Amino acid sequence: GAVVSQHPSRVICKSGTSVKIECRSLDFQATTMFWYRQFPKKSLMLMATSNEGSKATYEQGVEKDKFLINHASLTLSTLTVTSAHPEDSSFYICSARDLSGSSEQFFGPGTRLTVL
Amino acid sequence: AQKVTQAQTEISVVEKEDVTLDCVYETRDTTYYLFWYKQPPSGELVFLIRRNSFDEQNEISGRYSWNFQKSTSSFNFTITASQVVDSAVYFCALTRMDSSYKLIFGSGTRLLVRP
Repeated sequence: GAVVSQHPSRVICKSGTSVKIECRSLDFQATTMFWYRQFPKKSLMLMATSNEGSKATYEQGVEKDKFLINHASLTLSTLTVTSAHPEDSSFYICSARDLSGSSEQFFGPGTRLTVL
Repeated sequence: AQKVTQAQTEISVVEKEDVTLDCVYETRDTTYYLFWYKQPPSGELVFLIRRNSFDEQNEISGRYSWNFQKSTSSFNFTITASQVVDSAVYFCALTRMDSSYKLIFGSGTRLLVRP
């Protein structure tokens, strides 16, 4: 149980295009989902917290117009990187907490974005 | 403010050696959770352990053991008789016991186990 999927696993796009990454909780309902960004050989940095049915809460320094987050259902959150540039190339990881309120987060496998 | 420090950037050991990964944390909260995660080359984070601040008992799981000491704000992780498959980046993380449960990660320690 407690499986989180991400799609796509890898994406290569041209500069200026927008890219959508999906995060799904497959066997549980997630009241909260988190989006992280990881640069090569670096740690995970929390970008935003996404609660179902409400606006995402962004961490300081994260452009909300650049990284659009939508959490339309209890099993799906999406991150859209708008007008992507090469500096947006990174590994994006989502995680989800279930409705029980447990502290544990279940992580997706990550999406590697390369912007040419 | 909360902070997690993993001072060891990279560790290289020979298979079957024991290795300890250090984790020191800072928090003003009296209640919190500590975690260890493993990130193999595939990138997916693998949950290893969660420890709440009330429980200072050390834990052993197979070749893995954890030493939690509130007095020194440390939560160290030891792998006994290391194996090549243990090669990965290991992250220590901290979260508050509030509704957000935001994880604060350390910078990670890259472990290389050589045959």
